[in-house]
Amino acid sequence: ETGVTQTPRHLVMGMTNKKSLKCEQHLGHNAMYWYKQSAKKPLELMFVYSLEERVENNSVPSRFSPECPNSSHLFLHLHTLQPEDSALYLCASSQEYAGEQYFGPGTRLTVT
Amino acid sequence: TQLLEQSPQFLSIQEGENLTVYCNSSSVFSSLQWYRQEPGEGPVLLVTVVTGGEVKKLKRLTFQFGDARKDSSLHITAAQPGDTGLYLCAGAKTGAGSYQLTFGKGTKLSVIP
Repeated sequence: ETGVTQTPRHLVMGMTNKKSLKCEQHLGHNAMYWYKQSAKKPLELMFVYSLEERVENNSVPSRFSPECPNSSHLFLHLHTLQPEDSALYLCASSQEYAGEQYFGPGTRLTVT
Repeated sequence: TQLLEQSPQFLSIQEGENLTVYCNSSSVFSSLQWYRQEPGEGPVLLVTVVTGGEVKKLKRLTFQFGDARKDSSLHITAAQPGDTGLYLCAGAKTGAGSYQLTFGKGTKLSVIP
């Protein structure tokens, strides 16, 4: 399945580093999402973009900064993260805002 | 406070057995989705239920949405090792220009050959 791709698949970074996660969808969808999946916690919706405009920001710390340059690409810029930010970060897309979602394989992030 | 409670959290069964997993909430949802996630991968959508009382079948999987649209169940008949994975339910609420998709913690299913 190559509908939604994410890079890198694994990332280890120190607390003072700056890195970016990339997501690309090849499905012609209009909405894209970032989720955080931690052990023993439900999947958490972080950001939603619809037609390249951010429509949801669920009280996410400012050390996470999303960017959506066009309807096919979504980035999550990371800086001065904390160890508790270690998690699986999932990107998803849907045909329309609030529609059924298609997930990428995720980026496993470890903050040391 | 977790809005969607999934039970059981873990389930290990023998191949060929039947099972049911549950997704319960005190909130009403406009729709409810079920996903399966395998290790190292993202969740894959199985089904969306929209109408209270709706029943949908996907081969050996039967999904039901409660009449009040607060709960749902997934029944698997004659489980196979390929059914192994994390089953997630997600409730959607829309309105007033806002969208929230709330996930449960999931049921981790292991089917032993």
